Amino acid sequence: DAKTTQPTSMDCAEGRAANLPCNHSTISGNEYVYWYRQIHSQGPQYIIHGLKNNETNEMASLIITEDRKSSTLILPHATLRDTAVYYCIVRSETDSWGKLQFGAGTQVVVTP
Amino acid sequence: NAGVTQTPKFQVLKTGQSMTLQCAQDMNHEYMSWYRQDPGMGLRLIHYSVGAGITDQGEVPNGYNVSRSTTEDFPLRLLSAAPSQTSVYFCASSYSFIFTTGRSGNTIYFGEGSWLTVV
Repeated sequence: DAKTTQPTSMDCAEGRAANLPCNHSTISGNEYVYWYRQIHSQGPQYIIHGLKNNETNEMASLIITEDRKSSTLILPHATLRDTAVYYCIVRSETDSWGKLQFGAGTQVVVTP
Repeated sequence: NAGVTQTPKFQVLKTGQSMTLQCAQDMNHEYMSWYRQDPGMGLRLIHYSVGAGITDQGEVPNGYNVSRSTTEDFPLRLLSAAPSQTSVYFCASSYSFIFTTGRSGNTIYFGEGSWLTVV
């Protein structure tokens, strides 16, 4: 069973904020939310992760709802190079990295 | 520090041929894994390893073998290639626990991919 649900695709105008939603209604208390992205023909790239507090780094911000059943990845000023498939994953700190499961993700297209 | 290195980048095989995709990492990571990605699909786990001498199956292991004789290397072998194995293959590695030293312990690193076509 899929642990996360994401929209199949979304468009965003260059320079605007891109808000990517993810539902994880069955998340457990010790599971983190991770975001990765995959630019065409490249290996997936780590973006950000969080447990229950909102997080920000040089790439993006992660907003997790108080009940932790959903989250939003925010790319504050989307550029054409942000066009990629974005994956939302939940993972416990005790889970083997070797069992990391990627779903279909959200295809984000940033347009000029 | 080269990260995760995969070879070859491109390969064409005939049905029934065998080959090995090489993967090496220089970050002293315990975990290494292989994924395949078919066109328009997400990543699917083939095999993974939690350390030298230890391997386990992932979601789609049939038709593939792996071994982990050293920490650095995790080769993926196709014993008898089939057209259904045409795909892009990604190798990945990571430290074992989320709180391992610094930010680098919180993420998994992927290679650039190996494009395999079986005709």
